[in-house]
Parts: sequence; C-alpha cells; structure tokens
Amino acid sequence: NAGVTQTPKFQVLKTGQSMTLQCAQDMNHEYMSWYRQDPGMGLRLIHYSVGAGITDQGEVPNGYNVSRSTTEDFPLRLLSAAPSQTSVYFCASHGIGDPRAANSPLHFGNGTRLTVT
Amino acid sequence: QQQVKQSPQSLIVQKGGISIINCAYENTAFDYFPWYQQFPGKGPALLIAIRPDVSEKKEGRFTISFNKSAKQFSLHIMDSQPGDSATYFCAALTTGGGNKLTFGTGTQLKVEL
Repeated sequence: NAGVTQTPKFQVLKTGQSMTLQCAQDMNHEYMSWYRQDPGMGLRLIHYSVGAGITDQGEVPNGYNVSRSTTEDFPLRLLSAAPSQTSVYFCASHGIGDPRAANSPLHFGNGTRLTVT
Repeated sequence: QQQVKQSPQSLIVQKGGISIINCAYENTAFDYFPWYQQFPGKGPALLIAIRPDVSEKKEGRFTISFNKSAKQFSLHIMDSQPGDSATYFCAALTTGGGNKLTFGTGTQLKVEL
C-alpha cells in the first residue's frame, strides 16, 4: 500500500525553467491538494481538487498550474521557476465525505524539496 | 493574514516533562481541529484531532484542550520522550468548500535526555 507518492524527492532548477512535480495516490481518494512548506510559515495550500476534472485555487496559487485528468494523479506545474518558489512541496489526499469522521483527514506524501537558483 | 496562530516556535523539554503547544484561531467557520506531527524528511501525519463541541480529548500521552469561547486550543504531551522530538502543526478545517486545512506555523519540539 503505497499511499501518496511524490516524485522527484529533490530538484534543482534555474530561474525561468519549468517542471512538473508528480503526485499519485492509490487509495481512490477524491480530494487531492498541494501545499508548500516554508520555515516559520507552516504549510500553505497552493491548489486543490475535489475530483477528476475539478480544480481550484488555494492560498498561494500564483506561478503554479494543476490539472486532474484521473482520480489517481494530481501533478503540479511550475511555469517559470523563481527563487521565491524554493520550498518543500507536499501532496495530500483524502476520501470524499466528512473528514471529521475519518481517522485521518489528510494523507501526505513525503515531499519534494525544490531549490531554484 | 495568519488565520491560525501557533506558539511557541520552538520548545525544549526534558525527558518525562510536559510539552505544551498553543494555537488560536479567528475564523468561527472552522469546525475541526487536528494536530499533525512531522519528522525530518517525512510528510505530516495526523496525531490527534478534536471537534469544537468537545473541550478535551485524550489519546495516550497526547491531549487536546479546546476553549471555544476563547477560540484557542492546545496540545499537551505528557511524559515527553526523545522519540517525540518532531515538528508539530495545529490546523483548522472547514468542512464546506473543499475541506481545506489551514495550518499553524509549526513548533519544533526537542526532548532532551
């Protein structure tokens, strides 16, 4: 049972480059989301999806794109990387319905550490 | 704006002591308050959670105290152990509109021998 799998684990980009952070879950969860974690700022929501074909913006969406063509996958695209996007990125998922009733509202991947020089 | 304020930023506790982390929120639409534990190189994992109609919840050495009128909640770790050394995040959830979590800024806990 893999849970939430993120690739790559580490990435270094130059300013202006583009790349896609991959996220896949094998729990048939409807809800998936992307967070970035920065020192002293906690985790901030970038984008989320409540199901295939449906995405919406979170707290810090600028500079990022997402799509949800399947239930399993939710890639995050950096269009033109900037040093301000240096961060650790986490993908998370949970099943549809009341998350308070579940044992865990969100299952997190182990993160992608991105450095933009 | 920081909708969930967490303190302290870091905490050092002796083995066997009590670790206390505090959080405060502003948005009264929040209706679920989980705590996450994160070890280096790993994603956050749910530790314990509480609904606002309950004032306290205990699971083993971990207790959440919740004060709805003050819009504050706290995590108490009794008999703290070196294995508890991690970063702890409080969070708040609104179950409408995509079940989005709002996180506090995190507390780095170190339990010393």
